[in-house]
Amino acid sequence: EVQLLESGGGLVQPGGSLRLSCAASGFTFSTYAMTWVRQAPGKGLEWVSAISGSGGSTYYADSVKGRFTISRDNSKNTVYLQMNSLRAEDTAVYYCAKAAEYSNLSSFDFWGQGTLVTVSS
Amino acid sequence: SYELIQPTSVSVSPGQTASITCSGDKLGDKYACWYQQKPGQSPVLVMYQDTKRPSGIPERFSGSNSGNTATLTISGTQAMDEADYYCQAWDSSIYVVFGGGTKLTVL
Repeated sequence: EVQLLESGGGLVQPGGSLRLSCAASGFTFSTYAMTWVRQAPGKGLEWVSAISGSGGSTYYADSVKGRFTISRDNSKNTVYLQMNSLRAEDTAVYYCAKAAEYSNLSSFDFWGQGTLVTVSS
Repeated sequence: SYELIQPTSVSVSPGQTASITCSGDKLGDKYACWYQQKPGQSPVLVMYQDTKRPSGIPERFSGSNSGNTATLTISGTQAMDEADYYCQAWDSSIYVVFGGGTKLTVL
C-alpha cells in the first residue's frame, strides 16, 4: 500500500524558514518523480515544485523560485521542501504526491494527508 | 503563463449527467487529468491521460480532451460525487498547472 506522510509544518514568522519532509512507502521510491502542491485556506490547488526520480531534475513554480528548494534522499525514501524567505501568501496546506507515470508529471496518483504551514507574526 | 479555466460551480440532479470543462490554449495537445477533493480530504485522481480511469474509480466517470477543452463527465451522478474537481495539465514547457476548481453540487 502506497503511503505518503508529510511533516514539518507549523507557524513561522514572515522571512523565516521551514523544511517539510514527506516519507514514502509501498512503492519503488527512486523510480518516480515527486511533487509538492499547496492549497491556501478556502482556495484551489497550486503546484509548487517537482523532482525527478533520480533527483537530477527539479522544477519550480514562479511564485517560489529562488526561495524554495526541493530535494530527495532515495536511501531514506523521503522528499523534502526547504522553504526560505517565507511570506504570508505561502500560508497553505502542503501536500506531497507521487507521479503516476515513470517519466513525466502528467498526473499524481497518491497524495499525502498534507501539513499546514502558517506564516504570520 | 499558462492558464486553465474551469467554471466555478456546476449543479446536477441525482441520476443525471454532469459535465465539467477545463479550457486552455491548445490543451488537446497536452495530457489532462482530473482530481476530486471532498471537504477536509486530500485530492484523489479520477482521470488521467485524458481518458483513463485509475483503479477503483467508478465507470460513470469519463474524460475527453480535444482542441482547447478537456471535459470530465459523470454519468448517473450520485450524491457521493459532490466535491470540488480540479483539472491539471502538464508538458515540458508549462510544467504542472491546475485549473481553479469546480464545485459540483448534486441537488
